Amino acid sequence: QKEVEQDPGPLSVPEGAIVSLNCTYSNSAFQYFMWYRQYSRKGPELLMYTYSSGNKEDGRFTAQVDKSSKYISLFIRDSQPSDSATYLCAMSVGAQKLVFGQGTRLTINP
Amino acid sequence: ETGVTQTPRHLVMGMTNKKSLKCEQHLGHNAMYWYKQSAKKPLELMFVYNFKEQTENNSVPSRFSPECPNSSHLFLHLHTLQPEDSALYLCASSQDELAGSHEQYFGPGTRLTVT
Repeated sequence: QKEVEQDPGPLSVPEGAIVSLNCTYSNSAFQYFMWYRQYSRKGPELLMYTYSSGNKEDGRFTAQVDKSSKYISLFIRDSQPSDSATYLCAMSVGAQKLVFGQGTRLTINP
Repeated sequence: ETGVTQTPRHLVMGMTNKKSLKCEQHLGHNAMYWYKQSAKKPLELMFVYNFKEQTENNSVPSRFSPECPNSSHLFLHLHTLQPEDSALYLCASSQDELAGSHEQYFGPGTRLTVT
């Protein structure tokens, strides 16, 4: 079993839709949870960072962590074509050893 | 130059060649990382350096040899690679482990093809 499971998609939605991206994990020791966005031919960039359970909102993006279910989500409201990218979840026990999901390829259609 | 830069952006090499990838960060960080990103597989951490010292080697084959001469520069020396080593190699940097920051900044990567 992989430590982090993420559906690779692809996921295609119309502009303006709410997008839900998810990851599940098996290691209950994970404490830090991140979402990265990666555009084609670019490196990943950090979108959201959360510690332990709960919600965090930043503009159109909301990250949720449910440690009891070992499940994390990223919601994108009012999705835009510029949100089309691959979204990677990542998590870690300590500060530096990130474990990534496979990434979900998202396309927002105008 | 800003952020994290990597050179070359593309590299094609034969299995008997020796080449090096270079990474430079302009963020004042003390930790640097090498990752491998293969198609249809998650990003895999390869090496971690804190204050120029290697603190993590994630069971990487010896044909990959990292070097960190100072906190701003990181190299990955490659020799006698295999075709399955073809991938995007990403460098990242962050504040050091003791600072507790988890934000890693990535470079654009080097697309490596082994023929």
